[in-house]
Parts: sequence; C-alpha cells; structure tokens
Amino acid sequence: QKEVEQNSGPLSVPEGAIASLNCTYSDRGSQSFFWYRQYSGKSPELIMSIYSNGDKEDGRFTAQLNKASQYVSLLIRDSQPSDSATYLCAVSAGGTSYGKLTFGQGTILTVHP
Amino acid sequence: DVKVTQSSRYLVKRTGEKVFLECVQDMDHENMFWYRQDPGLGLRLIYFSYDVKMKEKGDIPEGYSVSREKKERFSLILESASTNQTSMYLCASSFPISSGVFHSNQPQHFGDGTRLSIL
Repeated sequence: QKEVEQNSGPLSVPEGAIASLNCTYSDRGSQSFFWYRQYSGKSPELIMSIYSNGDKEDGRFTAQLNKASQYVSLLIRDSQPSDSATYLCAVSAGGTSYGKLTFGQGTILTVHP
Repeated sequence: DVKVTQSSRYLVKRTGEKVFLECVQDMDHENMFWYRQDPGLGLRLIYFSYDVKMKEKGDIPEGYSVSREKKERFSLILESASTNQTSMYLCASSFPISSGVFHSNQPQHFGDGTRLSIL
C-alpha cells in the first residue's frame, strides 16, 4: 500500500511566523509532488507542484523535495490568518499511473493574529 | 484557468434512489477522477477514467458506477443510494503523461464539490 504521511496537526503559528508542513511517502518511484490548500467546506486548490530535488519558491510559499529521504515539505513565510486551512500533500507515481494521486490526511494550520 | 464544474453544490436524495452526479471540464484533460471526502478518512478515490469510455476502479468503487461518453464529461452514478453514501463528492481532472509534452504526472484540478445527503 503506497502511503503518504503528513505531520499530525493541528499546527498553530502566530501571524508573521514561518509555518512548516511536512510529508513523507513510501513509494520510491514517485515522481510528482503537489501541495493543495483546502478551506473548510471548499474543494482542494493547487498551490505548489514540484518534480525535482531541491527548493521551489512561489511568493510566500516554498516547496522542498528530497527524493533520497522520501520527504517533501511546504514552508509558508510571513503567515497570514488567511492561510488558515487544511494542507494536503499529494504524490504521484511515474509511468502509467494514469495521473492517480495518493493524498495524505492533511495538516490543519491555524494562523492566529 | 482550468474550470471543473460539478452540476450541484448541494443535493438531497432518498434511500434507494438512483443518483447522478455530473462533472464537466473545459481543459481537454484526458484524465478524470471521482473522490469522496469524509471527516477523518481523507480523500478516497472511487473511480477514474483516462479516456472516453475507459474507466478504472479506485479504492472504494462498491455501490458506484461511472460513465464517460464524452471527453469533457464524467458522471458518477449511485445505483441505489444508501445513507452511508452521504458525503462530499469531488471531481477532478488532469493532463496525462505525454512524451514530448509532460514527462511526469500533472496536478489534478478539482471542482467545487457536491455535498450529498441521503435520507
């Protein structure tokens, strides 16, 4: 069973701090990695994609991938109350997986003023 | 922007009814997916399709079927609705791996979801 594990929450950080969200995966053949944000009662929204080792930055968000350690993380700098949501890590195998994703259970992030 | 449209945001049906949930995407995506999301259980894949008339079972297909007659439309069918099918249903779509274009699986884009209640 291919698994994706996220750090158990909920995670609470003060406004302006860095929020760090972590994810490990079991399938060494995984090639595509995604972070989604989901507000309560809404559907998941893609915020970051990463495909190769290293860091990828997009505004206040940085995704980090280490395939050797089977680890992907999301850093949110200068956290805002509007970042309060559930963050889902999703991992895709390569080859003919038809684009299937394995999702983690999610980490609830609360940014308090 | 990718647009995935689900036919209803909220739906209330009765036990034993046949229920149709519709999903349409406008990005010419080959791959389409149906999930349900329940508190504490996360996202669970029901069925997916990688081409017209092609379908594959996901992790929890029991009690469901799907139809994909056109590339842009993927329908989820609850053959005889039961109360344990009360849930949030999410449709998603994505581009496939395609040599020369995409070499890795692409992200899925989700619709707004249908909150289905079976009474």
